[in-house]
Amino acid sequence: GENVEQHPSTLSVQEGDSAVIKCTYSDSASNYFPWYKQELGKGPQLIIDIRSNVGEKKDQRIAVTLNKTAKHFSLHITETQPEDSAVYFCAASEGSDGNKLVFGAGTILRVKS
Amino acid sequence: EAGVAQSPRYKIIEKRQSVAFWCNPISGHATLYWYQQILGQGPKLLIQFQNNGVVDDSQLPKDRFSAERLKGVDSTLKIQPAKLEDSAVYLCASSLAGGSEQYFGPGTRLTVT
Repeated sequence: GENVEQHPSTLSVQEGDSAVIKCTYSDSASNYFPWYKQELGKGPQLIIDIRSNVGEKKDQRIAVTLNKTAKHFSLHITETQPEDSAVYFCAASEGSDGNKLVFGAGTILRVKS
Repeated sequence: EAGVAQSPRYKIIEKRQSVAFWCNPISGHATLYWYQQILGQGPKLLIQFQNNGVVDDSQLPKDRFSAERLKGVDSTLKIQPAKLEDSAVYLCASSLAGGSEQYFGPGTRLTVT
């Protein structure tokens, strides 16, 4: 089955700096890679996703890149703000139908003002 | 548009007792998922429904966990009898169809003492 590894487990940045979170996956058939933000006491919120036919996707201050050959994908947040502080999870679909998501262990992002 | 609704938000029970969680997905979403999120980990899929049929329940501990989705809308997840290791947040998510974006509810935090 699919295995997703996420690094780093914690990340502290100064407000205004960039943050990068990286994930690797094992299933070469995976074709859907979403990123979720989870705040304390809330459910995960989808912030951006990418499918395997695209190498990069951007939405305002966040972007995701995908390298299918190396089986890794990354989340980039630019101009970080205190409200970006949360736990971020990457996920990869198991198999090519995109049904089942396997999540990474999460990254705690702290943005210091 | 209303999001995924879950209740209760919190539940404390003693081991060997039973407990049930309820989920109401986003209107029109055919696919419903139940996840278990243990503290410090990413969500793990327990069961996936497509309308009122089970698509994947390979990681559901069927000796104690059961779930149903009558009429293809609301769903309940039950644990009987509960064990200490069942302490976790139980998340419900829904999507228009399998393989499309999943949207999560706020979760139910279960503590088993």
